[in-house]
Amino acid sequence: DGGITQSPKYLFRKEGQNVTLSCEQNLNHDAMYWYRQDPGQGLRLIYYSQIVNDFQKGDIAEGYSVSREKKESFPLTVTSAQKNPTAFYLCASSIRQGIDNEQFFGPGTRLTVL
Amino acid sequence: AQKVTQAQTEISVVEKEDVTLDCVYETRDTTYYLFWYKQPPSGELVFLIRRNSFDEQNEISGRYSWNFQKSTSSFNFTITASQVVDSAVYFCALSEGSYGQNFVFGPGTRLSVLP
Repeated sequence: DGGITQSPKYLFRKEGQNVTLSCEQNLNHDAMYWYRQDPGQGLRLIYYSQIVNDFQKGDIAEGYSVSREKKESFPLTVTSAQKNPTAFYLCASSIRQGIDNEQFFGPGTRLTVL
Repeated sequence: AQKVTQAQTEISVVEKEDVTLDCVYETRDTTYYLFWYKQPPSGELVFLIRRNSFDEQNEISGRYSWNFQKSTSSFNFTITASQVVDSAVYFCALSEGSYGQNFVFGPGTRLSVLP
């Protein structure tokens, strides 16, 4: 089955630790995205990547880092510099980055900082 | 300024009622796309519909229908004969820019359908 997988589903970390969220897709999509969702709020774009070895900052990139070494993988690292990291993180992909392309989403990772 | 507004934060209806979710958008582009997504309690967003700015024809898919009106910059979503399984958060989104580099979600409307 084609789709997007995110792991783990729930993640706990201690304050001051870096943590990496996994996102893998087997849809052969060029573009991938990371969003953050806070309770009762919409999605905010953290980073996106149009193609392998290239990525761009979104609206709230501070305290986050990404890599895109493989087409199917787009991991997100939440660093200790992120002041309020507790949130629900969603990964998405689209065939390419284009105005008409819908994004397909993974199941999300809920990160809690203790 | 918020590009996509969903004024209804939460709506509750009783099963079998019809319900309309409002979406108002703001753009200066002539070419843009609008989307609706559903986020059930499991958390994963599910794509429902895409509409381009040149197609104002209303669309119906089963119990779902969408009304796009450029004159009022609105793209409203109606669920007919709602069911408990329709309970979710619904997001409207706008895609604009020469290569879709601006993809903005609205804040969402939480719909609760009571049995």
